[in-house]
Amino acid sequence: GIQVEQSPPDLILQEGANSTLRCNFSDSVNNLQWFHQNPWGQLINLFYIPSGTKQNGRLSATTVATERYSLLYISSSQTTDSGVYFCAGMEAGTASKLTFGTGTRLQVTL
Amino acid sequence: EPEVTQTPSHQVTQMGQEVILRCVPISNHLYFYWYRQILGQKVEFLVSFYNNEISEKSEIFDDQFSVERPDGSNFTLKIRSTKLEDSAMYFCASSFLAATDTQYFGPGTRLTVL
Repeated sequence: GIQVEQSPPDLILQEGANSTLRCNFSDSVNNLQWFHQNPWGQLINLFYIPSGTKQNGRLSATTVATERYSLLYISSSQTTDSGVYFCAGMEAGTASKLTFGTGTRLQVTL
Repeated sequence: EPEVTQTPSHQVTQMGQEVILRCVPISNHLYFYWYRQILGQKVEFLVSFYNNEISEKSEIFDDQFSVERPDGSNFTLKIRSTKLEDSAMYFCASSFLAATDTQYFGPGTRLTVL
């Protein structure tokens, strides 16, 4: 199965700062999703983005499928952005399981 | 907006007891999944289910686990004889298509085995 690596593992930002989170895949994927896990443990869908670029408010994501990586941009961070960000991919040619990365733990301070 | 729901939100059980975790997927979705997350670790795939059959399962999903869609709306995960290491957050997810589609996750059930 595919391996999913996320960087950095931990990130501390001051409110208002911007950040970039990275996700690398060991093989091609046909499905790629970004999630935010809030302090209550819930997994919130951010993006379904197997390729291309999408934006949703202060968040945007870009996946370069040919180079097997995806980036999540957070602009003008707020304390409510704190939590763990996971990316997950589904190996191309398969049709079932998402393989998750180990996450980036983000803490936004005042 | 439709969402996946799970009950209970927290379940405490004694080792060796059977537990059933319940999920109501999004109504027009056809594919259903269970994942788990041991505290502090990443989310791991357990099983996928389509057309009343398991389509894929992981090594974690051994004979102690089973899934069922008992009616048109519920999707359940049963752990026959719980072990301490089954303590985790269990997430249900659903999607309309198998591969090229968003999997929507429920809020999770936190299972604590004593």
